[in-house]
Parts: sequence; C-alpha cells; structure tokens
Amino acid sequence: GESVGLHLPTLSVQEGDNSIINCAYSNSASDYFIWYKQESGKGPQFIIDIRSNMDKRQGQRVTVLLNKTVKHLSLQIAATQPGDSAVYFCAESDTGRRALTFGSGTRLQVQP
Amino acid sequence: NAGVTQTPKFQVLKTGQSMTLQCAQDMNHNSMYWYRQDPGMGLRLIYYSASEGTTDKGEVPNGYNVSRLNKREFSLRLESAAPSQTSVYFCASRGGNTEAFFGQGTRLTVV
Repeated sequence: GESVGLHLPTLSVQEGDNSIINCAYSNSASDYFIWYKQESGKGPQFIIDIRSNMDKRQGQRVTVLLNKTVKHLSLQIAATQPGDSAVYFCAESDTGRRALTFGSGTRLQVQP
Repeated sequence: NAGVTQTPKFQVLKTGQSMTLQCAQDMNHNSMYWYRQDPGMGLRLIYYSASEGTTDKGEVPNGYNVSRLNKREFSLRLESAAPSQTSVYFCASRGGNTEAFFGQGTRLTVV
C-alpha cells in the first residue's frame, strides 16, 4: 500500500461529526487558496478553493475559511463520512507565482 | 476526457540508471508542473513550465531535467538515478491562477 503520509498529523473523528482541518501559510502575497484530498495510491483531488477577496466559501458539505490577518486557512467538513478518510492538503499561490505551494498535510481518520 | 496522464505508473531503477517520466494533458492548459511526494511530506515542486517553450526550477530541481515538448506534453528526466530520488512523482496542469489537475502518479524506487 501507499506509504505517503506515514508521519502526518492525524485528526480522528466519529462518523457524523464535523471535522476541522487547519493550515497556516506564510506568503502575504498569496491570493488563491485551495484544498485537496488525497486517497491512498491516488493523485490529489480538488475539494474547494477561495480567493483572497473572500473570507468564506461553501460547497457541498465543505466550507473553507480564510483569515488573511493571521494567514490561516481552514477546511470544515460537515457530517463526516468514512469516505472522507484521506490526507488533506492546503495549497496557495499568487498571481505572480505560477505554481501552487503545498502544506504538509493532515490525515483524517473517520471512525464508524 | 482523460485529464492528466502519466506513464509509467511504477518503475524500479538501479542507482545510476536514467529514465524519463512522461506526462500529457488534454485540457489545453498553458502551465504544467512536476512535483515529488515523499512519506510524511507534502508535494514539493521540482520544475514547472508556465507556457510552451519555457521551463523554470522549483524547490527541489537538483538531479532532474525537464522538456516541454509541446503544449500537451511535459517530461521529467533523471539522468543518473539515486536512492534519494525514490518517491512518488506527480504531474499537474493549470489553466491560470486556478486549481491544478493532477495525474495518478509514478511510483519510483531506486535501489
């Protein structure tokens, strides 16, 4: 099996609970932020994104919050399901920089 | 619509051997990227190509070379593989300052 994420911080929640995954970034010029989900053996998959002119954006069961003052990003997952178990990465970029810079990731484990 | 396709999916190399990882995207994106992912770490940028005909170094370029063959294809070459290059390699593409789409990865082991 895939050994990616062996030493990542882990968040363990009960099925049906809400999950909050946090991320700090350092580049004050970043204007685009994104959350990815990565399941074992697969590439990262887009979950939700937000631009710096917003502080909150909602999707289906997911919400991203952006606090530019303290350079903090969070992902909230409502009614967490076993299928949400994965490693979650935040990433950011700015208009002048062409590549996404990734955070180190958090493993979410959902207990049935 | 295939998105981003990487080949091969798995590879084992001996130290000193060379190989090229292939990546192709069918979304007409200008920008393409190569990342590596080691256990316990996030994705680190090796090289990127902002547009056809240009390439730039990322965070960890040493030991690698790239070629943007055309708008669709971006290859990564290891000239002399080392055990430290054992990793999972991901190719990605982007259409602008938006989400990046990733391939399924190439799992490389150097012995």
